[in-house]
Amino acid sequence: EAQVTQNPRYLITVTGKKLTVTCSQNMNHEYMSWYRQDPGLGLRQIYYSMNVEVTDKGDVPEGYKVSRKEKRNFPLILESPSPNQTSLYFCASRPNGGLISFGSGTRLTVV
Amino acid sequence: KNEVEQSPQNLTAQEGEFITINCSYSVGISALHWLQQHPGGGIVSLFMLSSGKKKHGRLIATINIQEKHSSLHITASHPRDSAVYICAVRNTGNQFYFGTGTSLTVIP
Repeated sequence: EAQVTQNPRYLITVTGKKLTVTCSQNMNHEYMSWYRQDPGLGLRQIYYSMNVEVTDKGDVPEGYKVSRKEKRNFPLILESPSPNQTSLYFCASRPNGGLISFGSGTRLTVV
Repeated sequence: KNEVEQSPQNLTAQEGEFITINCSYSVGISALHWLQQHPGGGIVSLFMLSSGKKKHGRLIATINIQEKHSSLHITASHPRDSAVYICAVRNTGNQFYFGTGTSLTVIP
């Protein structure tokens, strides 16, 4: 089944403890991206990648890192999470000129 | 500053009604996307538009590039259409900007 898989679905962590949210797609899409969704603010793009080894900042990149070493994987790294990074995170991919496919979301709570 | 504005924020309709959701944007775009988010949180892509009009079942999406405006129409609305509808624009640098969504409730 064609899909974007992100893990974990739920995560509670403490301030400052490094974490990684994984994202993988099996559709050979060039474009992958990460978003956060907050009440009243909607979706905002964190980082995106047009292809392997190419990453660009979105609207809200501060406090996040990404890497694109392989076409199928695009992990999101929080080196030192803070409570203001508590949010619902979505990974997504899309082919050139095509519709976006979203992962199921990761609900992150930083205490 | 919001690059993408949607209206209305909330919409309640009776089953069978014709529904229109509007999206205006202020940046130059390569394409505009309409998304649907159900109460469980999952997001599904409905349309991608760069010009004109697209139709899928009871859903119709239009875009006017000159006026920087798009509309999503739902004909013969049904309770299963209840969801949040989100407008997103992709600029020429492939960055995305999103509206805050329109929450639709269709009452039987």
